[in-house]
Amino acid sequence: EAGVVQSPRYKIIEKKQPVAFWCNPISGHNTLYWYRQNLGQGPELLIRYENEEAVDDSQLPKDRFSAERLKGVDSTLKIQPAELGDSAVYLCASSLVGPRDSYGYTFGSGTRLTVV
Amino acid sequence: GQQVMQIPQYQHVQEGEDFTTYCNSSTTLSNIQWYKQRPGGHPVFLIQLVKSGEVKKQKRLTFQFGEAKKNSSLHITATQTTDVGTYFCAGNPSGNQFYFGTGTSLTVIP
Repeated sequence: EAGVVQSPRYKIIEKKQPVAFWCNPISGHNTLYWYRQNLGQGPELLIRYENEEAVDDSQLPKDRFSAERLKGVDSTLKIQPAELGDSAVYLCASSLVGPRDSYGYTFGSGTRLTVV
Repeated sequence: GQQVMQIPQYQHVQEGEDFTTYCNSSTTLSNIQWYKQRPGGHPVFLIQLVKSGEVKKQKRLTFQFGEAKKNSSLHITATQTTDVGTYFCAGNPSGNQFYFGTGTSLTVIP
């Protein structure tokens, strides 16, 4: 079974440019998460989807970040325009039933974003 | 906001020595999870604890959830070089979201 697939693996862009990340969760996992991980820190939640509904986006900087999960499967996270401080690893994760899932989250390999 | 703190931030041990990382929350947790992240990798789920005072073991790893459900620990017996990585706890105070700790980076010296 394929795990959580993310692309691209790496991205280098100039500030003020747009960027998009793509995530394909594990088949059958209804809950999808986008996390941001800065160097030397733990992942921080940006948004959580239950199927196609964003049920927690309180920590998503909505002035420049947007996300969508069409048809409740794949998801994209977009930043426009990117700022230097957005440089981080963006992780997508999925789980079967949500934050009480005893199987935990399955994370993708992440997209390492560098804004120059 | 919610805070989940871990200590120590870094730990260097000789291979064969034991290792422990501690996780503390400012609020009572519904459940807590532990993840391992290898250098350059992504977090990998290890275990979830739910009950007060719960202790779970996975080979050389022992996980404990405090009686008050505000702290947890991960203990590794006789570390091996394959144990290298950063260990994160993730606490869930309300049932809706896990807050990841700051992580403990483990280095094992052969």
